[in-house]
Amino acid sequence: QKEVEQDPGPLSVPEGAIVSLNCTYSNSAFQYFMWYRQYSRKGPELLMYTYSSGNKEDGRFTAQVDKSSKYISLFIRDSQPSDSATYLCAPNRDDKIIFGKGTRLHILP
Amino acid sequence: DTAVSQTPKYLVTQMGNDKSIKCEQNLGHDTMYWYKQDSKKFLKIMFSYNNKELIINETVPNRFSPKSPDKAHLNLHINSLELGDSAVYFCASSEKGGGGLDEQFFGPGTRLTVL
Repeated sequence: QKEVEQDPGPLSVPEGAIVSLNCTYSNSAFQYFMWYRQYSRKGPELLMYTYSSGNKEDGRFTAQVDKSSKYISLFIRDSQPSDSATYLCAPNRDDKIIFGKGTRLHILP
Repeated sequence: DTAVSQTPKYLVTQMGNDKSIKCEQNLGHDTMYWYKQDSKKFLKIMFSYNNKELIINETVPNRFSPKSPDKAHLNLHINSLELGDSAVYFCASSEKGGGGLDEQFFGPGTRLTVL
């Protein structure tokens, strides 16, 4: 089993929809959970992070972690065309960060 | 004012050649990284350096050799290039290194094409 798994997509949704992006991981040692966003032909940039289980909200974005099921989610409310990008989940522990393959998201105007 | 810069942005070369990619960060960070992103968009760490000291050295062919002359620079030299080396190579830096809540800042990437 791979350490981090994400559905690569692409995921196409109409503007204004709620988007749900998901990720599973296998290593229970992961304690920190990050989401990076990567626009086409650019480097990834940190979008949000959480520590341990629970929810964290930042504007239209909500990150959710369920450590018992090793499941990570990112919700985007009122999605905009500018949200079109690849979203990489990145669980990590004290010594290393592991990036998922990313889910390509396309918001249709 | 670019935080993490890489040169060149594009690199097209023949199989068997030797090439280098340069990376510089002006954030004052202690740790720098090299990642490879292949055609399937999988971002995989290759090396990390903390204050010029090699910390992470993943299973990478020894044709790849990182060099850190100071903590603001981490260059990647690749010998005897192969077709499978074609990818986008990203440099990144972080304040402390070692995972945790240590945000990594990425450069714009170097798109390497081996013919």
